[in-house]
Amino acid sequence: EPEVTQTPSHQVTQMGQEVILRCVPISNHLYFYWYRQILGQKVEFLVSFYNNEISEKSEIFDDQFSVERPDGSNFTLKIRSTKLEDSAMYFCASSEGSGIQPQHFGDGTRLSIL
Amino acid sequence: KNEVEQSPQNLTAQEGEFITINCSYSVGISALHWLQQHPGGGIVSLFMLSSGKKKHGRLIATINIQEKHSSLHITASHPRDSAVYICAVKAGSARQLTFGSGTQLTVLP
Repeated sequence: EPEVTQTPSHQVTQMGQEVILRCVPISNHLYFYWYRQILGQKVEFLVSFYNNEISEKSEIFDDQFSVERPDGSNFTLKIRSTKLEDSAMYFCASSEGSGIQPQHFGDGTRLSIL
Repeated sequence: KNEVEQSPQNLTAQEGEFITINCSYSVGISALHWLQQHPGGGIVSLFMLSSGKKKHGRLIATINIQEKHSSLHITASHPRDSAVYICAVKAGSARQLTFGSGTQLTVLP
């Protein structure tokens, strides 16, 4: 069964550094999402992306964050200048459509900011 | 803003027991997901439903749109079912999901 893949599985970065988290969504999916989960807390929505542009974003997704689909397969989340509070598990998801279509999740990238 | 509440927060059961996890939400939705999160952190989608009932193996999910409530049932529970079960809802035309806090299920042999 096709799946969403995320790399790396664990990223350790110094505060203030830029980090790029990578995702390969399921190949025929058109809608892409990033979520994050701070340790011990709920999963939170960050951003959704369709047709090469952001379609929704949360208040968490400020100017430090950006997303890109640099080619036909990858979907990336960039954090420009990381803060300690960016430490979390970041999940990528994709769906075939935006209506009543299931979202499929990757295994996540654990980001640790030192 | 949709509030998603799950109960119980923690549940310990003996192998073979019938398990029920509940989810309620405050605003009308177009779809509800039940997800499973294992200790390593990965999330697996179990069900997406917008009405009625779905069954997959020993798992059954029901939703009552009028009551704004959904339940996830596990029949003949097994230690490998131990995980966090999360309810997430999609409201109207929004694409994002709003998540509950999860229910930590531990099934003892």
